[in-house]
Amino acid sequence: DQQVKQNSPSLSVQEGRISILNCDYTNSMFDYFLWYKKYPAEGPTFLISISSIKDKNEDGRFTVFLNKSAKHLSLHIVPSQPGDSAVYFCAASGYNTNAGKSTFGDGTTLTVKP
Amino acid sequence: DTAVSQTPKYLVTQMGNDKSIKCEQNLGHDTMYWYKQDSKKFLKIMFSYNNKELIINETVPNRFSPKSPDKAHLNLHINSLELGDSAVYFCASSQGLSVAVLTFGAGSRLTVL
Repeated sequence: DQQVKQNSPSLSVQEGRISILNCDYTNSMFDYFLWYKKYPAEGPTFLISISSIKDKNEDGRFTVFLNKSAKHLSLHIVPSQPGDSAVYFCAASGYNTNAGKSTFGDGTTLTVKP
Repeated sequence: DTAVSQTPKYLVTQMGNDKSIKCEQNLGHDTMYWYKQDSKKFLKIMFSYNNKELIINETVPNRFSPKSPDKAHLNLHINSLELGDSAVYFCASSQGLSVAVLTFGAGSRLTVL
């Protein structure tokens, strides 16, 4: 049962444009959501997160939007840079209990072309 | 200075062998994890330890035995390796049980022939 889905395996955008990565979840018990970025031969690194009490969280070029009714979140990167090329994982967690037990999507490979 | 370090980075072995992967974190975190990334690229939790105590065991075969000698270390021992154990194993840590943000190691790619 795939509780967190990233339906786009890959995304290619031009440098300077917006990148939008999407994620859907099915478990309504999830109340904290995270995005991780992963370069080849490295572990995932935390990028940005959002609690279910919010619908938007912004950190520099990165913004995460949460639509609880649709069980959907998205990551916006503006402007996209070549260094953003990586695999992006969406993850969902129950916040106050075993919060590190995250359920991950299978990733979206972002390629930003110069 | 690497925050979460795993050794070895690559491991190639025959079916039936026993192998271990070591993990150490220097972040002072209380909670450590093992995640497995299979061929479908999903990262799935295997185990979680908090201050050396097992917290999560996600229906992992008994052939997998984690050990946490102290809160900075979480090792993974695998007995009688099978082809299906081939995967990348990631160690991670977090500040505590209520903290969702994970710091991952670089991963250990295990190939079972």
